[in-house]
Amino acid sequence: DIQMTQSPSSLSASVGDRVTITCRASQSISNYITWFQQKPGKVPNLLIYAASSLQSGVPSRFSASGSGTDFTLTISSLQPEDYATYYCHQTHSIPWTFGQGTRLEIK
Amino acid sequence: EVQLVESGGGLVQPGGSLRLSCAASRFTFSSFGMNWVRQAPGKGLEWVSYIGTSTHFIYYAESVKGRFTVSRDNAKNSLDLQMNSLRDEDTAVYYCARVGDLWVGGSSYYGMDVWGQGTTVIVSS
Repeated sequence: DIQMTQSPSSLSASVGDRVTITCRASQSISNYITWFQQKPGKVPNLLIYAASSLQSGVPSRFSASGSGTDFTLTISSLQPEDYATYYCHQTHSIPWTFGQGTRLEIK
Repeated sequence: EVQLVESGGGLVQPGGSLRLSCAASRFTFSSFGMNWVRQAPGKGLEWVSYIGTSTHFIYYAESVKGRFTVSRDNAKNSLDLQMNSLRDEDTAVYYCARVGDLWVGGSSYYGMDVWGQGTTVIVSS
């Protein structure tokens, strides 16, 4: 199985900060990675697919990059509504696997 | 608005069975693969099962293989997950999610672009 390891596991940041979350795959997954945002008590929301493509309706302050085994999700200027848990997810191979999540908290 | 609505969750004893359903509306259900994803209390997301547009492609996580069975009825726009031999560790919110074909250039990529609100399964004696 492909292991997806996110870092950090948690992060405190202030409104307006630039935030970067990383995800490392245990083997190459090309660009078959998506990113989700999940707010407490809510359903996961697709942010990014194909490593760097922004899902329709997602604000442009979100961006992502990477290929192979190393990937990043960046929020250029943190907004109050961005405080949530973020998950990376590989769709390269069955079983599809998620990272353990990165909890983004208010500083 | 495109919608998925799960039902069938509840409290069940270890070793028991439960059948979850997911009703799809306002999109062409038969054209999309579907996933079940679960989330244990306070934990992260775990992929459970995938079913393709037909039933030729069905996959399970190792943790549920042989115990869970996914099925779909395209005529009724519905997805099911039959869960047998339930264990304490199956306790979770279960989500159904649409697997969209998202195109970048000439390539298609999977992405879970629509999710249901989830149904809670509690396995406890």
